[in-house]
Amino acid sequence: QITLKESGPALVKPTQTLTLTCSFSGFSLTTSGVGVGWVRQPPGKAPEWLAVIYWNDDKRYSPSLKNRLTVTKDTSRKKVVLRMTNMDPVDTATYYCAHRRPYDYVWGTYHYAGFDSWGQGVQVTVSS
Amino acid sequence: AIQMTQSPSSLSASVGDRVTITCRASQDISDDLSWYQQKPGKAPKLLIFAASSLETGVPSRFSGGGFGTSFTLTISNLQPEDFATYYCLQDYNHPSMTFGQGTRLEIK
Repeated sequence: QITLKESGPALVKPTQTLTLTCSFSGFSLTTSGVGVGWVRQPPGKAPEWLAVIYWNDDKRYSPSLKNRLTVTKDTSRKKVVLRMTNMDPVDTATYYCAHRRPYDYVWGTYHYAGFDSWGQGVQVTVSS
Repeated sequence: AIQMTQSPSSLSASVGDRVTITCRASQDISDDLSWYQQKPGKAPKLLIFAASSLETGVPSRFSGGGFGTSFTLTISNLQPEDFATYYCLQDYNHPSMTFGQGTRLEIK
């Protein structure tokens, strides 16, 4: 059974850096094709994809937030960390980490089943 | 960036009804689309991936279809637990994944 859980501060001040940790179990981030992503959801709005890190340390970021985001992994400790710099009140949201499962491998490319398992989310408020 | 237009934004239906939600992509995304159900205070839950593949454990009254730019999520024989908000997600244009704006399904 795959489980993920986010942890981090509930409140950060504007201009500060947010650091969130995703602790997971039930899978390995050394398995070919597997990834862990981050998604946030402002109150009452649709989710927004932020970043993903794959088993081979390939990292992808939302183009609109790329300059502010860093994602890293610690495979032995089964953790993925997201850092977001220069936080602003508009970054107030619930932040989720999620497992990304490949369902096919064709012509050297993995095809993914979206995000198949999610953490419970951590609510982050940006306010002075 | 690929835009996902989801419709309707809200929908009222009764238990036992059949409803269809649509997502349209601003360009061809093949079948790289998944559907999620979200209930208040909870994380999204994967229902459908690759446009039409039912995730393990999801009831067969949920079905997905479409290819290219137009996709549908159909729920047959609505059950009380199906009233929630639904989102589509494209990940064709990776790394730029995009969620639809959501459809809130309410009890009539």
